[in-house]
Amino acid sequence: KQEVTQIPAALSVPEGENLVLNCSFTDSAIYNLQWFRQDPGKGLTSLLLIQSSQREQTSGRLNASLDKSSGRSTLYIAASQPGDSATYLCAVSRISGGYNKLIFGAGTRLAVHP
Amino acid sequence: AAGVIQSPRHLIKEKRETATLKCYPIPRHDTVYWYQQGPGQDPQFLISFYEKMQSDKGSIPDRFSAQQFSDYHSELNMSSLELGDSALYFCASSFQDSSYEQYFGPGTRLTVT
Repeated sequence: KQEVTQIPAALSVPEGENLVLNCSFTDSAIYNLQWFRQDPGKGLTSLLLIQSSQREQTSGRLNASLDKSSGRSTLYIAASQPGDSATYLCAVSRISGGYNKLIFGAGTRLAVHP
Repeated sequence: AAGVIQSPRHLIKEKRETATLKCYPIPRHDTVYWYQQGPGQDPQFLISFYEKMQSDKGSIPDRFSAQQFSDYHSELNMSSLELGDSALYFCASSFQDSSYEQYFGPGTRLTVT
């Protein structure tokens, strides 16, 4: 059974810091991995998707890497801003019978203070 | 760009009542997924549909049922509501190309009193 773990559970940093969020998964037979952002009580915003054949993806100040063999992904946020404060969730999918579902980690709650 | 639409956005029901949640996927997306996120929890997969047929099933209670209609919109029906059903319910859609990327709607917040 796939299990996804995110470390740390919470993180508080001053504005401007570069930071790394970690995600690990127990079954390396994944199809893709998605990083999401969720503001309190709000929906899920997809940040980056990495397919299993890829090593990393970049979007603006965000960079996500994937090491499928070791079951790890990291989300790097450069020059953090107060507006980055949110919960960051990683989720993995596995294609089974042609269909996939996402298995989520519990998230990292990030607070960036001015 | 069009996004996933969910209605209603908020719903308050009493125990033992019935609720219906609706989801309108992104145009041309052929797969719809439902997820439940309890307070302080991560989203849990409930059920999915591909081309109007149920494709996968997760931890969905027997009191819940869902279907996808000919116009690809989907409805999640919940009966005999319990206090523990209070949660955010997300719908996501995807197109079965090479990425299977899922796009999420804003969610429906269900409160059972």
